[in-house]
Amino acid sequence: DAGVIQSPRHEVTEMGQEVTLRCKPISGHDYLFWYRQTMMRGLELLIYFNNNVPIDDSGMPEDRFSAKMPNASFSTLKIQPSEPRDSAVYFCASSPPGHYGYTFGSGTRLTVV
Amino acid sequence: KNQVEQSPQSLIILEGKNCTLQCNYTVSPFSNLRWYKQDTGRGPVSLTIMTFSENTKSNGRYTATLDADTKQSSLHITASQLSDSASYICVVSADGNNRLAFGKGNQVVVIP
Repeated sequence: DAGVIQSPRHEVTEMGQEVTLRCKPISGHDYLFWYRQTMMRGLELLIYFNNNVPIDDSGMPEDRFSAKMPNASFSTLKIQPSEPRDSAVYFCASSPPGHYGYTFGSGTRLTVV
Repeated sequence: KNQVEQSPQSLIILEGKNCTLQCNYTVSPFSNLRWYKQDTGRGPVSLTIMTFSENTKSNGRYTATLDADTKQSSLHITASQLSDSASYICVVSADGNNRLAFGKGNQVVVIP
């Protein structure tokens, strides 16, 4: 298995632009998680899905952030409009029930200028 | 207050030496505790996972301990190598909860 695949690896965008981050979870994993990591706050859960359904989005910072999971093999995290304070590394993770195979992707480093 | 506290925040050690990282948590009810290694520019990778009944678990030169009574865990790195330079993150899972509680990590730098 190729693991959790995220794209792009790096994204630089201007303030106000729309940004879309993509994630392909491990096949057979029922759970998908989106995290944001900064030096100050560490890893923060933004939202997670179970069987493609959003379960807990209480970590989504503002209405500018939205996430979708149209099918079991694909999810997106969208920021519109982006702001400089959104600059961070965004990780996607997937796991089977019980979370013993919890696996992170390599992340997308987002820079908003 | 963060439910998972790690110390020291950062650590510099000589290649070949041992080191121990600490993790204290308040998550309850407890399900399991994991240690992850995160290399610069990469995602976290699982080193160990321990449930309530496990006191120690090893993965090569990494040995994790768990005291569920005092809610403390440690990660011991034996005979450190340059490739051990990374952030080590303690993660605690509450029983019946899909959210994980993350520490902010121990930043380890191994120098020759």
